[in-house]
Amino acid sequence: SAVISQKPSRDICQRGTSLTIQCQVDSQVTMMFWYRQQPGQSLTLIATANQGSEATYESGFVIDKFPISRPNLTFSTLTVSNMSPEDSSIYLCSSPNPDDYGYTFGSGTRLTVV
Amino acid sequence: GQNIDQPTEMTATEGAIVQINCTYQTSGFNGLFWYQQHAGEAPTFLSYNVLDGLEEKGRFSSFLSRSKGYSYLLLKELQMKDSASYLCAVKGSTLGRLYFGRGTQLTVWP
Repeated sequence: SAVISQKPSRDICQRGTSLTIQCQVDSQVTMMFWYRQQPGQSLTLIATANQGSEATYESGFVIDKFPISRPNLTFSTLTVSNMSPEDSSIYLCSSPNPDDYGYTFGSGTRLTVV
Repeated sequence: GQNIDQPTEMTATEGAIVQINCTYQTSGFNGLFWYQQHAGEAPTFLSYNVLDGLEEKGRFSSFLSRSKGYSYLLLKELQMKDSASYLCAVKGSTLGRLYFGRGTQLTVWP
């Protein structure tokens, strides 16, 4: 399985500011996925990030709010822009494992907006 | 759209067997996953079904019926450490996206 390093693990941010979350994979992967998990809820897919092309966003999520970068096959960032308390959540990245059918997740970023 | 339904909570006692059900209606199907997630941690992979039938892996088994849009995760010989949220996820037909159910919070009592 792939190993994903995600940082920061947690942050407390002021409303109106932006936070960039980074994920580094220990192998090359074609796709990376970004999820949000609100308290007590399951994972909601934000977008799919492919190297060399714009990210594909799910309904309800837009690029201006959640810009994504994917500069190479091992790295991606998600920015949460102009934050409000409603953005307080856990954000996780994920990628398909290169050698089997599973998916690996980063350890998550717990974001609190005050 | 995607609709994946599973119970919100379940309880059981140590040593018992519990079955967590999942029904799904999705646009495209390329497999169903079960993940375990302890509080504050990332989800960890438990099982994968793409064909109908039962897959067994130690104390955990997972079943799939594609015609019924139905799966279950069976946990045997429950242990306290099995207390966690269990997530059912369907792999859609486009770009390998995974769509998750709300998760079932399982509490195992001594």
